[in-house]
Amino acid sequence: QKEVEQNSGPLSVPEGAIASLNCTYSDRGSQSFFWYRQYSGKSPELIMFIYSNGDKEDGRFTAQLNKASQYVSLLIRDSQPSDSATYLCAVNRGTYKYIFGTGTRLKVLA
Amino acid sequence: GAGVSQTPSNKVTEKGKYVELRCDPISGHTALYWYRQSLGQGPEFLIYFQGTGAADDSGLPNDRFFAVRPEGSVSTLKIQRTERGDSAVYLCASSLKGGPSTDTQYFGPGTRLTVL
Repeated sequence: QKEVEQNSGPLSVPEGAIASLNCTYSDRGSQSFFWYRQYSGKSPELIMFIYSNGDKEDGRFTAQLNKASQYVSLLIRDSQPSDSATYLCAVNRGTYKYIFGTGTRLKVLA
Repeated sequence: GAGVSQTPSNKVTEKGKYVELRCDPISGHTALYWYRQSLGQGPEFLIYFQGTGAADDSGLPNDRFFAVRPEGSVSTLKIQRTERGDSAVYLCASSLKGGPSTDTQYFGPGTRLTVL
């Protein structure tokens, strides 16, 4: 079992819809959870992080964390074609070390 | 301010050659990370520096890989006797402290290494 698992996709959603991206992790000692966006041929850029159970909102993005289920998700409201990218989930165990998933490719159809 | 920079952006080499990849972190960031990203995969941890010292090099695949950060700023990843399997994008990231779990990593643009 991989430490951080994501569906590789592609996940296709129509413009204006809500995109839901999911990530599960295996280490119950994980403390912080990060979502990065990576455009093709570019480096990852941080969207947001979450470390408490529940929801955290930032503009059109909402991160959701459920530590009991070892599950973290990212919702993108009012999806735009410019949101089309690979979304990487990363998990931190409370130290410097981050473990990344393989990413989910999102396609927003105009 | 300036972000993380990496040079070269692309490197093509022949099997068996030696290569050096350079990373210039954000000024004032004490923590520096090297990752390797293959096509369709997430970044894979290679090594972490806190200041000048390599605090964790457990991700380096074998002894052909070595990294230094002699003055606590610029870092160089060195690969000896390159193999075709070393072909990937090598990403560098830096963060302010490297310790707190909410410390944000900022990535450089990466170096695409191709070993022929």
